[in-house]
Amino acid sequence: EIVLTQSPGTLSLSPGERATLSCRASQTISSSSLAWYQQKLGQAPRLLIYGATNRATGIPDRISGGGSGTDFTLTISRLEPEDFAVYYCQHHDTSSYSFGQGTRLEIK
Amino acid sequence: QVQLVQSGAEVKKPGASVKVSCKPSGYTFTGYSIHWVRQAPGQGLEWMGGISPKTGGANYAQKFQGWVTMTRDASSSTVFMELSRLKSEDTAVYYCAREGVRGAPPNYFYYMDVWGKGTTVTVSS
Repeated sequence: EIVLTQSPGTLSLSPGERATLSCRASQTISSSSLAWYQQKLGQAPRLLIYGATNRATGIPDRISGGGSGTDFTLTISRLEPEDFAVYYCQHHDTSSYSFGQGTRLEIK
Repeated sequence: QVQLVQSGAEVKKPGASVKVSCKPSGYTFTGYSIHWVRQAPGQGLEWMGGISPKTGGANYAQKFQGWVTMTRDASSSTVFMELSRLKSEDTAVYYCAREGVRGAPPNYFYYMDVWGKGTTVTVSS
């Protein structure tokens, strides 16, 4: 079973700054299998990125995904107040899914 | 408008079972698989399994095999998730989510693009 490890656990930044979140897989995975989600308090998760680099419908271009192999990143180029939330990476493998433990992005 | 409407909150005693429903609307019921994800208080997301509304075939995470059952009712276009032998550790918000698929062989993209609002299940004596 592939394990996803996200870092850091908590990231404290100010609006306007750049955020880089990491997701590391325990073994090499296909980029097409990696997605990112945002979850705000009391809400369901929202799809941000699929296939490691593809933005979902309605996601602004200041949010981007990258990486390959075992190391993937989610970057938010200029933080807006609505970006402060918890972010999860997700892996898909032959009809099953797994999630990272999440990164909390908080206002500094 | 594409949405998934889930049933309301439940309170159950340890050892009981709970059955949560998820009713898609705004798209063809049989066109997309539905998955279930739970989130214990203050914790992360945990995938439980998924079901194809077209075939009724389901697959479950190893952890849940033997005590979760996912079914669908084509006549009402509704998907169900039943968890048995509940324990206090099963207290969580249970989400259903639509599985989206894009791409072409051999590179398909799989993701969860539409989510229900969640159903809170509380297990307490």
